[in-house]
Amino acid sequence: LAKTTQPISMDSYEGQEVNITCSHNNIATNDYITWYQQFPSQGPRFIIQGYKTKVTNEVASLFIPADRKSSTLSLPRVSLSDTAVYYCLVATLKAAGNKLTFGGGTRVLVKP
Amino acid sequence: DADVTQTPRNRITKTGKRIMLECSQTKGHDRMYWYRQDPGLGLRLIYYSFDVKDINKGEISDGYSVSRQAQAKFSLSLESAIPNQTALYFCATSEADRVGQFFGPGTRLTVL
Repeated sequence: LAKTTQPISMDSYEGQEVNITCSHNNIATNDYITWYQQFPSQGPRFIIQGYKTKVTNEVASLFIPADRKSSTLSLPRVSLSDTAVYYCLVATLKAAGNKLTFGGGTRVLVKP
Repeated sequence: DADVTQTPRNRITKTGKRIMLECSQTKGHDRMYWYRQDPGLGLRLIYYSFDVKDINKGEISDGYSVSRQAQAKFSLSLESAIPNQTALYFCATSEADRVGQFFGPGTRLTVL
């Protein structure tokens, strides 16, 4: 199983860019990297997914170096509503079983 | 209407009681999952199902059982609830060959 390590918490201010790095040293060849956002008492919400290099959508960018042993979620110009816990998930897409390992999550606090 | 629904949303029960948590989805996804989340912690996988005839244990299946009644329905049972099963339970779905999951709103279960 690909275990993940993320910072426990990060503080930022409105309008700043927030970068959260997830380490996954034993990522397997077929693993994808997915990031989720979770607000208190709600289910996690899918943000972005990638396999290598860079992926960008309307809310975030995901940077994955060539060795894929880490990944960085970038949230541009955060607002107060981006205060949440962010999870990095590394999944094995093997037919024999889908072992989904969530990291401990990073609690992001956006201050005014 | 929500794509992934869970019932009940809240439940308080006593030790030794049998409890069933239900999950329904309208997304047409084949894969369904049950997770539990303890306060301040990430999500741990209990069971997952790739299709109606496929059930697999996750990281923490002891004390739980599941039933995949149809593509759209996946139920989680606690045959004899115990206090350390007090947690927030989430159901999720995903398309085959993808790991971006869609989560339900959660069921808060308290076992006294």
